[in-house]
Amino acid sequence: KNEVEQSPQNLTAQEGEFITINCSYSVGISALHWLQQHPGGGIVSLFMLSSGKKKHGRLIATINIQEKHSSLHITASHPRDSAVYICAVLRLEDGGSQGNLIFGKGTKLSVKP
Amino acid sequence: NAGVTQTPKFQVLKTGQSMTLQCAQDMNHNSMYWYRQDPGMGLRLIYYSASEGTTDKGEVPNGYNVSRLNKREFSLRLESAAPSQTSVYFCASSEGTQETQYFGPGTRLLVL
Repeated sequence: KNEVEQSPQNLTAQEGEFITINCSYSVGISALHWLQQHPGGGIVSLFMLSSGKKKHGRLIATINIQEKHSSLHITASHPRDSAVYICAVLRLEDGGSQGNLIFGKGTKLSVKP
Repeated sequence: NAGVTQTPKFQVLKTGQSMTLQCAQDMNHNSMYWYRQDPGMGLRLIYYSASEGTTDKGEVPNGYNVSRLNKREFSLRLESAAPSQTSVYFCASSEGTQETQYFGPGTRLLVL
């Protein structure tokens, strides 16, 4: 079983819809990252969080440490949000001097106009 | 600022050939990483350097070597390329190992 699972694998939405992407993990973590990979291949870090909630523009990320679950929400989705969204965790035992991120396989989002 | 740069962007090798992928960052980051991305597998860590002068193996280090040349540069070497090393390689850097990582544009490698 993968240590980081994302759902759904693929998601198609209409412009303006509210979108939720889920990430579940099975290990203790010190931090969780959400990344965006553009259709051209470039990867951008969106959020890093270890508790609670963070917001940036139309993007909101939440994490529930007890339930080992995180969600990425996109409000008022737009075709330019079309990308692969990747969840990654830094395992607790790898904390400190190490930096071994464990990645989910990504959620491919397509937003139609 | 260029951020994280990688060269080359694309490379074709024959089995058994060697090559070095170059990565440089201009953000004065302490930590640098090499990942590979394969279809259906997600990103996997090959090697990382938590700070200048140190390197450590990640999840998939076999067939690769790395050099942290200085604080800016972190290279990945394939000594004898194999078709299984066909992949997209990403370099990343961060201020520390528990900080946000910034990714380079990637190198697409095809081993025939």
